Amino acid sequence: EVFLVESGGGLVQPGGSLRLSCASSGITVTPNGYMSWVRQAPGKGLECVSVIQRGGTTYYADSVKGRFTISRDKSNNTLYLQMDSLRVEDTAVYYCARWSGAPGHFDYWGQGTLVIVSS
Amino acid sequence: DIQMTQSPSSLSTSVGDRVTITCRASQTIASLNWYQQKPGKAPKILIFATSRLQSGVPSRFTGSGFGTDFTLTITNLQPEDFAAYYCQQSYIPPWTFGQGTKVEIK
Repeated sequence: EVFLVESGGGLVQPGGSLRLSCASSGITVTPNGYMSWVRQAPGKGLECVSVIQRGGTTYYADSVKGRFTISRDKSNNTLYLQMDSLRVEDTAVYYCARWSGAPGHFDYWGQGTLVIVSS
Repeated sequence: DIQMTQSPSSLSTSVGDRVTITCRASQTIASLNWYQQKPGKAPKILIFATSRLQSGVPSRFTGSGFGTDFTLTITNLQPEDFAAYYCQQSYIPPWTFGQGTKVEIK
């Protein structure tokens, strides 16, 4: 069985930083090896904020470009999201998710970790 | 980023009804995914590659479309289908979602 477990959420002041982690077990790396962070603000929809491909290529939503950094440690199957210069509008539940092989879709999700940006 | 416009944002309906949700992409895309989300839970894939049903998903869910216009149809709505639904383009990362459709009991 596949498990994705996020951690690192919490309360942070505007302008602050936070690093999220996503530990995976029982997961098979798909041929394209994509992993992603998806967030959901309270009462709002889903936003794919960042993607990393097996070879290290990264993609970011315009809303977080230049402030968030996605990375992965293959040795311990952990995905990270470094979030800097946080804004009130970054408040959300952050999910990590695995992107399946072609045809692509998110097939496994973590339970989410809540980030609150507030003074 | 590719923009996804989903409609309606919400609808009230009854058990046994047929529901249609539409999704329009800001440019031509190869295919589309549909997810279901219930309160407090992570989303769950329903349909991928526009029309392929995820294993275990009932056949009352169907997806169709091509180019920029896509549709999710739910026939014979069941109590467990009252949830939020999201489309997602799978063409170019980051894979953007529609704003969501909340299906509520009338």
